[in-house]
Amino acid sequence: QSVLTQPPSVSGAPGQRVTISCTGSSSNIGAGYDVHWYQQLPGTAPKLLIYGNSNRPSGVPDRFSGSKSGTSASLAITGLQAEDEADYYCQSYDSSLSGPHVVFGGGTKLTVL
Amino acid sequence: QVTLRESGPALVKPTQTLTLTCTFSGFSLSTSGMCVSWIRQPPGKALEWLALIDWDDDKYYSTSLKTRLTISKDTSKNQVVLTMTNMDPVDTATYYCARTSYGSGSSYYFDYWGQGTLVTVSS
Repeated sequence: QSVLTQPPSVSGAPGQRVTISCTGSSSNIGAGYDVHWYQQLPGTAPKLLIYGNSNRPSGVPDRFSGSKSGTSASLAITGLQAEDEADYYCQSYDSSLSGPHVVFGGGTKLTVL
Repeated sequence: QVTLRESGPALVKPTQTLTLTCTFSGFSLSTSGMCVSWIRQPPGKALEWLALIDWDDDKYYSTSLKTRLTISKDTSKNQVVLTMTNMDPVDTATYYCARTSYGSGSSYYFDYWGQGTLVTVSS
């Protein structure tokens, strides 16, 4: 069981907008810790997509955006493209355990119809 | 240009100790704020953070695995080594090393990843 909860799958047609939720608790997202998002294309290593809740690294298209509110965060993808088909993971920090404890969501598989 | 590369055995037997090496370039672990982490991913499953070492040689481990893990660094060689004892088939996974940054929101994140190395635990 992942500390952060994501839907197992989402889908959308090309050009549409999809969102992926990431639900935490008062010991992680709700405690004010940042949320980060990763994209993992099939057979490849994860890639940083969003850091610090809503910041895009250089080279990430502005079709990808992140937000955070309360104990949850969301990743939005607009203008969906076939190349966006991948697994997406959220990640944060949890203070309920001793020391800095990085936590991931269970991942969401995005299917482009 | 930041790159990381994992190396180690592809196959280990149950109860053996796994030793993985992360060799990196494009940054120095002696620079304040720099960290390197190990993360693993069992086939078809989610990512799991294992351990982190920072520029000041502070080390942090996953609570569930800390009795089995040791992380260390060799700054002169630009390498970080992870050892995991008492390997079990459930430890079969792709193991990644990643450069780790500390954001303003008090949260680590992984901005550069290695390609990963698949480790299978089987007799």
